[in-house]
Amino acid sequence: DAGVIQSPRHEVTEMGQEVTLRCKPISGHNSLFWYRQTMMRGLELLIYFNNNVPIDDSGMPEDRFSAKMPNASFSTLKIQPSEPRDSAVYFCASRQTLPARGRYEQYFGPGTRLTVT
Amino acid sequence: DAKTTQPNSMESNEEEPVHLPCNHSTISGTDYIHWYRQLPSQGPEYVIHGLTSNVNNRMASLAIAEDRKSSTLILHRATLRDAAVYYCILRDPIANAGGTSYGKLTFGQGTILTVHP
Repeated sequence: DAGVIQSPRHEVTEMGQEVTLRCKPISGHNSLFWYRQTMMRGLELLIYFNNNVPIDDSGMPEDRFSAKMPNASFSTLKIQPSEPRDSAVYFCASRQTLPARGRYEQYFGPGTRLTVT
Repeated sequence: DAKTTQPNSMESNEEEPVHLPCNHSTISGTDYIHWYRQLPSQGPEYVIHGLTSNVNNRMASLAIAEDRKSSTLILHRATLRDAAVYYCILRDPIANAGGTSYGKLTFGQGTILTVHP
C-alpha cells in the first residue's frame, strides 16, 4: 500500500490566492482527517469525515476554509482567499474506524507545506 | 475532554531503554490511551495503544497504571532513529445520532526525545 498520498508537497502562493490541497486516503479506510501544524499551535484537527460525511468541522478556523470528500478515495481542503497566517504544514490522515474493537490507528500522509507570502 | 500531561523533553543514550511518562488523571473508563510519534519533517505515526492491560508490539511497550491515571511508553533500546516528538493521547468519544463513537484524537504538545550516540 502506498499509504496516504498528499499533493502538492510544497505550495508557495501569494496572499489572496486560492489554494487547494489534495489527499488520497488508504484504500479501505472509512475515516479521513485534516490537520494543521504550526510551531505556535502544534497539531490541530481541522475537520474529519466518516464514510465521506463531515462529522466535526469545529476546528476549521473560518469561512475561508472548506473541505470536501466527494468519494472514498479523494478529499480536498481549500483556502480562499489565502492569508500569510495560513502558512503551516497541512496533514491528511486516514483510518479504518472499528469502534467495537477500539481500533483508532490513524495513518498520516507526508504533509503539504504551505507558504503564503 | 480528558487531557494528558507529558514532560516537554527527555534525553537518552543510544542502546539504552527510555521510559516516557504520561499523566491522565481525568481519564474515563472507556478512554483508550494512544501513543504517536513524529519524526523530523514527517507526519505522526502510530506507536501503540491500550485500555487497561500492558501492551507490547514491535516498536514499544505500554505500561498502564492500575488506576489508569498514568502510563509509560517504553522503548527498550533507543536508536538514533527514535529521536522524535512523542504524543500521549486519550481518544475523545464522539457519538453520532446512532450512538457510534468515532473517537477523534486530539494531540497535545508531546515530549521531544533526544537520543545521543
